[in-house]
Amino acid sequence: EAQVTQNPRYLITVTGKKLTVTCSQNMNHEYMSWYRQDPGLGLRQIYYSMNVEVTDKGDVPEGYKVSRKEKRNFPLILESPSPNQTSLYFCASSPTGTGGHEQYFGPGTRLTVT
Amino acid sequence: SQELEQSPQSLIVQEGKNLTINCTSSKTLYGLYWYKQKYGEGLIFLMMLQKGGEEKSHEKITAKLDEKKQQSSLHITASQPSHAGIYLCGADKGDGNNRLAFGKGNQVVVIP
Repeated sequence: EAQVTQNPRYLITVTGKKLTVTCSQNMNHEYMSWYRQDPGLGLRQIYYSMNVEVTDKGDVPEGYKVSRKEKRNFPLILESPSPNQTSLYFCASSPTGTGGHEQYFGPGTRLTVT
Repeated sequence: SQELEQSPQSLIVQEGKNLTINCTSSKTLYGLYWYKQKYGEGLIFLMMLQKGGEEKSHEKITAKLDEKKQQSSLHITASQPSHAGIYLCGADKGDGNNRLAFGKGNQVVVIP
């Protein structure tokens, strides 16, 4: 089944403890992206990747890192999480980075930082 | 930056009634995507519109793109409880990087 998977689905952590949220897609998509969704602010892009080894900042990249060493994986790294990073996170992928294609979204990771 | 305003913010309809929700952009629309989200869950793709005047339908859902008004509408005919959820519109920012700006969503409640 074609899908985007994220792990973990739920995570509660403490301020400053490094964490990684994994994202994997099995559709051989070139483009991958991370979003966060917050009440009243909607969905905002954190980072995106046009292809392997190519990543760029989205609208809210502060406090996050990403890497794209393989086509299928695009982990999101929080080096020192803070409470304002409590949010619902979505990974998405698309066949290409040139637009004109839907983005396929993962099921979401609900992160709470205390 | 591009902003998408979705209206109405929330809508309660009786099962069997029709409903329309709108997405208006502050800038030219290069591509408009409609997604549906159950609360706290992932986004499910509904439709993509790319050309002015384009209209697409899937089952009981029809989406239209009015390029001049920089607006898209989503119409549901004879609503069912399965249509309940949050509808999000996303617009291609037009920077060639497949980046989308999203509206804050229309919450739809269908009363049996």
